Formats: sequence, C-alpha cells, structure tokens
Amino acid sequence: KQEVTQIPAALSVPEGENLVLNCSFTDSAIYNLQWFRQDPGKGLTSLLLIQSSQREQTSGRLNASLDKSSGRSTLYIAASQPGDSATYLCAVNRGTYKYIFGTGTRLKVLA
Amino acid sequence: EAQVTQNPRYLITVTGKKLTVTCSQNMNHEYMSWYRQDPGLGLRQIYYSMNVEVTDKGDVPEGYKVSRKEKRNFPLILESPSPNQTSLYFCASSFGGSNQPQHFGDGTRLSIL
Repeated sequence: KQEVTQIPAALSVPEGENLVLNCSFTDSAIYNLQWFRQDPGKGLTSLLLIQSSQREQTSGRLNASLDKSSGRSTLYIAASQPGDSATYLCAVNRGTYKYIFGTGTRLKVLA
Repeated sequence: EAQVTQNPRYLITVTGKKLTVTCSQNMNHEYMSWYRQDPGLGLRQIYYSMNVEVTDKGDVPEGYKVSRKEKRNFPLILESPSPNQTSLYFCASSFGGSNQPQHFGDGTRLSIL
C-alpha cells in the first residue's frame, strides 16, 4: 500500500534562506508526483509536476526533484520570502487516476 | 478564467438530511475527483471520474455517491450525512495524462451536527 510522508510537519525560517522540503513514498511504481501549495482557507495551487520518467522540474525559484528508486522527492525553494508562507503538499499518482497525498509541511518565512 | 467552482463554500446541516455539493469546471477536463481533508490525515480521495458516465471509488467512498452526466459537472452526494463526514471537501480536475496537473476548487466546509 502506497504511503506518502512529509517531514518536517512545520518549519520556520528567516527570509532569504534557501530551503528543502521532503516527500517520501513507499512504492516506487508511480505515474507522476505533484507539489502543491495551500494557503489558509483556500484550495490547492499546483506548483510543479514531475512525470515518472523525469528527474526534476523547475519553475522560477522552485525546483522539484524525483528519485523513484529511493522513494523521495524534494522541493527546493531559493531565497525564501514571507509570501512563500503556506502549507506545501506532495501527491503521488499511482496510475489509474488514484492519488495519495502527504499531510504537508507548514512553512513560515519570517521577515 | 479557467477554474473549478464548488458550491456551497460553507454548510452546516443535521444528521440524515440529504445534501449535494456541486463541482463544475470550465476547462473541458476529462478527469474529475473529490477529496476530503481532515487534520492529521491529509487529503484522501473519495471518488473520481475518468469521463462522462465513468466513475470509480477512491480510498474513502463509504457514505458518498457521485454522478457524471455531463463533462463539466461532478456533484458529490451525501444521502444520509453523519457527524464523521464533517470535513473540508475539495473537487479537482485535469486532462488526465501523466504530464497533466490537477486543478483544485476553493473547497467546501461541511459541518454535520
């Protein structure tokens, strides 16, 4: 059974720091992995999607990597800003349209 | 504007009173899905639909029904709501390919008393 874990559950950093958020999954047979951002009272905003055959994706200050063999993905945020404060979720697509989400990392960037 | 729209956004109701949460998308997506989000448990998939008239169970389908009669709409039906269905519900849609991201609505907060 696929399980997705995100550690740490919460993280506070000063503005300007580079940081890494972690996502681990137990079954390497995945279709793709997607990173989301969730702001309080809002839905999920898609940040990056990495297909099973890819190793990384980049968008602006964000870079996501995927290592299927070790069951890990990381989301790298460069030069963090207070506006980056949110909960970050990863979701694994098991194929056949079934998704498993991690419980998220709550990030606070201090000005 | 491309979006997934859920209604209502908030609902307080009582045990046993049937309710429907609507979801509509304007992006011509084939795939749609419902999730519930609970503290400490994250998002869990309730039902999903690959296209019109094609639906399947996710991980927590008990107590819920869905239908997909039109491509744009995917309502979630609680025939006899119970307090354990109090949760934050999200609808999502996508084109369904391996490189297609899911797009989410803003959520519906349900409280069943």
